[in-house]
Amino acid sequence: KQEVTQIPAALSVPEGENLVLNCSFTDSAIYNLQWFRQDPGKGLTSLLLIQSSQREQTSGRLNASLDKSSGRSTLYIAASQPGDSATYLCAVSWVKAAGNKLTFGGGTRVLVKP
Amino acid sequence: DADVTQTPRNRITKTGKRIMLECSQTKGHDRMYWYRQDPGLGLRLIYYSFDVKDINKGEISDGYSVSRQAQAKFSLSLESAIPNQTALYFCATSMTGVGTGELFFGEGSRLTVL
Repeated sequence: KQEVTQIPAALSVPEGENLVLNCSFTDSAIYNLQWFRQDPGKGLTSLLLIQSSQREQTSGRLNASLDKSSGRSTLYIAASQPGDSATYLCAVSWVKAAGNKLTFGGGTRVLVKP
Repeated sequence: DADVTQTPRNRITKTGKRIMLECSQTKGHDRMYWYRQDPGLGLRLIYYSFDVKDINKGEISDGYSVSRQAQAKFSLSLESAIPNQTALYFCATSMTGVGTGELFFGEGSRLTVL
């Protein structure tokens, strides 16, 4: 079964500390992996998209790595700020997914304390 | 203005009523999706459409129907709403490409069925 897991489900850090968010997936035959941010009661905002052929993507303070062989992706947020408090979700598009389905992890809820 | 707009944003209805959620996008994307989000279950795909004449069921399509009125418009209908359809519904879009591609989400429609 193709599954996406995010551990821990919640994380609290002091402002200024670097954030490390983990995503694991069960099948390495992926098209791409995407990281999203969701604020309470809001929609999902795309942060980074990593194609299967890539090892990492960077945007400002965000860096996402992809290791297909181990079935893992890590999202790094440097020098965290209170405004980074949100839920972060990763989602995987698999080559063999029925109906071109994007499978989401359960998310990691992040709180950055001032 | 948002690139992906959902209406209504909030709706309370009674069991047995017909409900339509509408989605319009200005991103020029050809692919559109409907997801629902439930606490503890994450996001699940209801229906998706790759163009106006292409409609496909997702993993949880029972009790739902969709209509792709134009490239920019994709509506979701609940023919006879039931309480377990209470959820946060999201419309999303992407461009044609390998796999699912980068997804862009609307702000969500919160539906409560009494």
